[in-house]
Amino acid sequence: DTEVTQTPKHLVMGMTNKKSLKCEQHMGHRAMYWYKQKAKKPPELMFVYSYEKLSINESVPSRFSPECPNSSLLNLHLHALQPEDSALYLCASSQEIRTDTQYFGPGTRLTVL
Amino acid sequence: ELKVEQNPLFLSMQEGKNYTIYCNYSTTSDRLYWYRQDPGKSLESLFVLLSNGAVKQEGRLMASLDTKARLSTLHITAAVHDLSATYFCAVDVPGKLTFGQGTILTVHP
Repeated sequence: DTEVTQTPKHLVMGMTNKKSLKCEQHMGHRAMYWYKQKAKKPPELMFVYSYEKLSINESVPSRFSPECPNSSLLNLHLHALQPEDSALYLCASSQEIRTDTQYFGPGTRLTVL
Repeated sequence: ELKVEQNPLFLSMQEGKNYTIYCNYSTTSDRLYWYRQDPGKSLESLFVLLSNGAVKQEGRLMASLDTKARLSTLHITAAVHDLSATYFCAVDVPGKLTFGQGTILTVHP
């Protein structure tokens, strides 16, 4: 099973709202990732977790707050977002931080009004 | 800073024809990935190329890697409409994937 699940599929939020994106995998992978993808652009790495610890933060604004409660779950907490944060947010996982193939979830389409 | 450049960015192909997508990258890496993305969908892993000279084939797609030239190619043989999608190469340096801009492939009759 090479499935990464993400919820919700779609999210519309105002600039003052607080919301969370959720990602789950049951492949025993110890590395998990958040990417942001704008329309017609490639995915851009935001955060990397390895063994439940934040390993890489690509200078993401603090209005995005990642959390890895356990080895299967990855959350992205959103607060005071801007309209330009509207994008497809993709979660991925891999066996370890430097190993072959990251498996991507279906993504959450976020719209900030 | 790692740069990954694909060309062409747009490719309109006729069914049955062959073509190649190129992926150049600017720093040493021994891992390169090819992904496919359909509109509004997530990324599907196509190939992982792990060493110089690696060649992998799946159906009408064949990928190769030349680490000395820092070049990977994705060759399409006898294109069919189902191959229409965006194709990304991505370089792993180290543990971070940096993607090319993507090649939007359209296959028409």
